[in-house]
Amino acid sequence: GQNIDQPTEMTATEGAIVQINCTYQTSGFNGLFWYQQHAGEAPTFLSYNVLDGLEEKGRFSSFLSRSKGYSYLLLKELQMKDSASYLCAVNRAAGNKLTFGGGTRVLVKP
Amino acid sequence: DTEVTQTPKHLVMGMTNKKSLKCEQHMGHRAMYWYKQKAKKPPELMFVYSYEKLSINESVPSRFSPECPNSSLLNLHLHALQPEDSALYLCASSPREASGVLDTQYFGPGTRLTVL
Repeated sequence: GQNIDQPTEMTATEGAIVQINCTYQTSGFNGLFWYQQHAGEAPTFLSYNVLDGLEEKGRFSSFLSRSKGYSYLLLKELQMKDSASYLCAVNRAAGNKLTFGGGTRVLVKP
Repeated sequence: DTEVTQTPKHLVMGMTNKKSLKCEQHMGHRAMYWYKQKAKKPPELMFVYSYEKLSINESVPSRFSPECPNSSLLNLHLHALQPEDSALYLCASSPREASGVLDTQYFGPGTRLTVL
């Protein structure tokens, strides 16, 4: 079966840093995606990792270790608008199928 | 432009109704997807179309019938739905879909469906 785990909820202060971990065990792996989803809205693409290492995009960075089945999303200089759910999704190769983790709801407090 | 549009934004229907959801993209993407998302749950893949042909059906009940009239349009026809089918239906597209090729999926805003 497919298993993708993330913490359910995290709280952080405006201006701080938060790290959202994602562990996965899937049949087939062709890369890992991170999406942001505000309540009632569509997921928006943040980043993806295919190879091991860190990908940096502005205030957001994502890390992947394929041997450990582990990724994290790092959000720096948190802003109130970053309050949202963050979804980790594994591309399981055949058919470009995305399987999502349960999502981590991040609440940014003043 | 990474825009996928969906209509309607909201839909309320009875269990005996027939309705359709529409999705459109003009990015030249050749793969399109339907997902279902229940409240506080992640999206779940329903169907994948690749080059206008149905390539994946994730064992979705036949009361959901997808259609891809051309490379820019994707429909989801609904008939005899149940209240438990109430959810946010998301459409996505990606430049191409082929085994082993990584491709970013871009999501539309979704249609919030309520079945009474």
